[in-house]
Parts: sequence; structure tokens; C-alpha cells
Amino acid sequence: DAGVTQSPTHLIKTRGQQVTLRCSPKSGHDTVSWYQQALGQGPQFIFQYYEEEERQRGNFPDRFSGHQFPNYSSELNVNALLLGDSALYLCASSPPGTGTILGYTFGSGTRLTVV
Amino acid sequence: GEDVEQSLFLSVREGDSSVINCTYTDSSSTYLYWYKQEPGAGLQLLTYIFSNMDMKQDQRLTVLLNKKDKHLSLRIADTQTGDSAIYFCAESITGNTPLVFGKGTRLSVIA
Repeated sequence: DAGVTQSPTHLIKTRGQQVTLRCSPKSGHDTVSWYQQALGQGPQFIFQYYEEEERQRGNFPDRFSGHQFPNYSSELNVNALLLGDSALYLCASSPPGTGTILGYTFGSGTRLTVV
Repeated sequence: GEDVEQSLFLSVREGDSSVINCTYTDSSSTYLYWYKQEPGAGLQLLTYIFSNMDMKQDQRLTVLLNKKDKHLSLRIADTQTGDSAIYFCAESITGNTPLVFGKGTRLSVIA
């Protein structure tokens, strides 16, 4: 049973560019949350998607946007990249009926480097 | 606002007990968690405790919660080299609200 799959695992982008990160949730999960983990820091909540809608959002600018598809997979888009966007981006999925953190399964993350 | 503080480093000898400490500021936090992160891996939920509990034990792991002081600790008995990782304390107001993480404590186990 595959867990949460994130792609790509690593990528390098230039300031000002746009990037799309992808997440496939664990089988049977319908809710996807995204977190940003800067080097030496704990993860910070970006937003959560459920039923193809953004359900909750953290303190991130509008440059960060997302999408959830009918198959529950999700994308995180970041526009006008800044050097400070360099981080590990983590996706977590959770199953229906709970929506709770206790059901979270985290992916291994995408390491984004902005140069 | 919410804030979670942890010491950044801890070094112990194999076989000893490790104690990782955490303080949080939001008294309305209902759920408190400990996550483990190994290099190249995602976050793994180790254990959690509800705010109406003082202690929870799960095999080698013991969690202690002091609500008055907003202090949480994780004790790992008989620490092994495989326990070397970064340990994050996290809180949430409800089971559905986002996690707020500390900066993590890097545990190094010396053989």
C-alpha cells in the first residue's frame, strides 16, 4: 500500500519563476495538507484541501496557491519565487471520517532551492 | 499567538534514557504531539497526548504533560542508535486544526 507520494523530490528554480509541486495521497485518503519546512525550522502550515476546495489556510501570501483534483491528488503552486521560498515542502494526507491530524500520513517532501 | 519552543540539540549514550522538552504558549491546545524526522524521510507520528491527560506510556516512550506550566516532555528509554533523528513537538487546538511545530530537537545517540 503506497503511502503519500510527492514529486519531484528535488528541484532548483530561479528567482521570479513559478513552480508546481505534486502530491498523491495515501490510498483511501481524501484530505491533503501542505507544510513548508525551512532549513533548521519546524514545518509551517500552508493550506489544506478537501473536496477540491481550500478548507484552511495558514499565514502565507497569495503567491502560494493550490488545487485538488477529483482523484484527491493535489498541487502546490508558488509564483514569483523568492530566495526565502527555499525549503522542504511536505504534503500530508488524512482519511475520510476523521480529517484529524491523528490520521495524517506525511510524504518525504520536495526540496525546493531558489537561486 | 501560538508558539512552541524546544532545545535544539541533545546527545546521549546508547542504552541511556533521553528526555526531550518542549514548552507551548496556547493554553487552548487540546492535542500535543511528538513527531520524528529522519534524514530524507517525512514526519512520523510517534505519540500524542490529550490535554486532559498527565502522562501517556507507549513501549519505550513516555510523555509527560504539565498543563499549568505548559510543558511537555518525551522520554525515550534504552535509547538506541536508530533513535538518532530530529524530534518535533507540535500542538493543535482541535484534532482538525493545523499543527504548530517547534523547531525540533536533534537527538544524537553515541554508541
